[in-house]
Amino acid sequence: SQTIHQWPATLVQPVGSPLSLECTVEGTSNPNLYWYRQAAGRGLQLLFYSVGIGQISSEVPQNLSASRPQDRQFILSSKKLLLSDSGFYLCAWSPRPGRRGTEAFFGQGTRLTVV
Amino acid sequence: GNSVTQMEGPVTLSEEAFLTINCTYTATGYPSLFWYVQYPGEGLQLLLKATKADDKGSNKGFEATYRKETTSFHLEKGSVQVSDSAVYFCALSGLKERGGGGADGLTFGKGTHLIIQP
Repeated sequence: SQTIHQWPATLVQPVGSPLSLECTVEGTSNPNLYWYRQAAGRGLQLLFYSVGIGQISSEVPQNLSASRPQDRQFILSSKKLLLSDSGFYLCAWSPRPGRRGTEAFFGQGTRLTVV
Repeated sequence: GNSVTQMEGPVTLSEEAFLTINCTYTATGYPSLFWYVQYPGEGLQLLLKATKADDKGSNKGFEATYRKETTSFHLEKGSVQVSDSAVYFCALSGLKERGGGGADGLTFGKGTHLIIQP
């Protein structure tokens, strides 16, 4: 069966420090991968998605970047965190090629607090 | 572009009450529709889904019917329990092409916080 691992679960970082959140998927190959952010009262916002190694699409301009160095590894990074980067970050995957009605499967999330 | 609108709440009900959480959408093409549930401190879990008009998704006593004419996918449950307390998200798939699974992820509503009191 497929599983998705995301870490760390919680993180407190000072403003201006770097960030690296990691997500890995097991039990499948060539998945679509996604990073979402959940801010209080604002629902879920898609930040990045990837259809393959080295292929990253960004949905919104921001202080963050994403990379996919391996087929089942997706990393969210920042060189210098801002207070506004605080939130709950969720990694997700879906099968590719996707069929109609294919859902996304989510990790447990990382609670990031920038202080 | 695609969008999903749902009541934000919080919605507070007594145990065994009837639940309705409204969800309407705007989309091009033929989206699939989903309800996800998020328990405190956790990621999202798929609750149910529907892939075409008039389909009814159901799971754990929850139901939702894909209504293309009203562009709605309202979530219902006949008798809620305290354990149903969570945040519920309505979502649609972003299809790049008709009939295909979207690689551009899901579009979510803002979530509805449901509180069930004993």
